[in-house]
Amino acid sequence: NAGVTQTPKFQVLKTGQSMTLQCAQDMNHEYMSWYRQDPGMGLRLIHYSVGAGITDQGEVPNGYNVSRSTTEDFPLRLLSAAPSQTSVYFCASKSFNYGYTFGSGTRLTVV
Amino acid sequence: AQSVTQPDIHITVSEGASLELRCNYSYGATPYLFWYVQSPGQGLQLLLKYFSGDTLVQGIKGFEAEFKRSQSSFNLRKPSVHWSDAAEYFCAVGPNQAGTALIFGKGTTLSVSS
Repeated sequence: NAGVTQTPKFQVLKTGQSMTLQCAQDMNHEYMSWYRQDPGMGLRLIHYSVGAGITDQGEVPNGYNVSRSTTEDFPLRLLSAAPSQTSVYFCASKSFNYGYTFGSGTRLTVV
Repeated sequence: AQSVTQPDIHITVSEGASLELRCNYSYGATPYLFWYVQSPGQGLQLLLKYFSGDTLVQGIKGFEAEFKRSQSSFNLRKPSVHWSDAAEYFCAVGPNQAGTALIFGKGTTLSVSS
């Protein structure tokens, strides 16, 4: 099993550009979530999904959109990147018995 | 409100000395508790987790943690620290109110001196 796969691993964007961070899991987990990690802030929840077609906001959702058209994929979209979105992004999925699997992260820099 | 507090931002320990990283949580029900470790530029690695049962949990790399309900704590310990343990450590509690995700503390950076 590949687990949770995030692409790309690194990305540099210019302010105002848009992009999609990809997240895919092959464990048939219903629950998926996106976090951002900033120095001294830990991981903060951006958006989450409890299944295909169902998403909701987490702690820091502004500037990000998500969709969940399939169980496997949970992409995170930045519509108009800002320097404040420079961060490391982690995608995670949760099994029925509370096993959380994290992707390896995407390091995003907005200049 | 659900939250996790890691009181120590940075700890330095001598190699071979014992280690305790503190974690306190606020949670309305019986929590699921986790400790993760992150080396620089790397992802998160699960050290151990507590769901129920024995309140002393053994993890990987010689780490253990003790759940104390009366103190709302889940402190991480290691009897003898190795230089390779230098990393950032995160305590987390879950699930959140939506039942989907973890709530993380802000992390403790561990430095190991020789």
